[in-house]
Amino acid sequence: EAGVAQSPRYKIIEKRQSVAFWCNPISGHATLYWYQQILGQGPKLLIQFQNNGVVDDSQLPKDRFSAERLKGVDSTLKIQPAKLEDSAVYLCASSGWDRSYEQYFGPGTRLTVT
Amino acid sequence: AQSVTQLDSHVSVSEGTPVLLRCNYSSSYSPSLFWYVQHPNKGLQLLLKYTSAATLVKGINGFEAEFKKSETSFHLTKPSAHMSDAAEYFCVVSDRAGGYQKVTFGTGTKLQVIP
Repeated sequence: EAGVAQSPRYKIIEKRQSVAFWCNPISGHATLYWYQQILGQGPKLLIQFQNNGVVDDSQLPKDRFSAERLKGVDSTLKIQPAKLEDSAVYLCASSGWDRSYEQYFGPGTRLTVT
Repeated sequence: AQSVTQLDSHVSVSEGTPVLLRCNYSSSYSPSLFWYVQHPNKGLQLLLKYTSAATLVKGINGFEAEFKKSETSFHLTKPSAHMSDAAEYFCVVSDRAGGYQKVTFGTGTKLQVIP
């Protein structure tokens, strides 16, 4: 089966610019996650969707970050405007209905804000 | 409440000696537990998972972990470290206590292997 796809893989922007990331989960997976991983730290959950509804966005900086999952399939994460501290790898993961709740991770998007 | 604690932020071992990375968890429901590895500038790779079957779980690259409910632990071990094991390791807990699949990552343990 195809894995989780993310694009772009790398992005460099200046502060105050906007940027968008795209994620296509594994087909049939109902749950989709966006994580932020700052260099040297563990992944931090930004937002979690179940189908096209949000179940957890408690750590999403809502003044600048937004995310949507149209039709319960692929998803976009947007940052507007970007700050220097947003430099990180943004990971998308998905999981299905099997008992293990195993997450499958995409390759990530490395964002550099200058 | 769900939480996971990785007891060591850094572990250093000599090549050929055993590896022990410690993880304690808290979960109100029957959890699933995972160990992921991340090599520098690489993505997350699943090492192994526990899902209420056998308490001793074998994973890839010779790693294994034992689920101990009485101790709320899920420590990762390997009999003999290789240089290629140098990486960051994350313990993860997952359950459906809140009516949806909630996942929490540990803060990570960086494993250094000395030749």
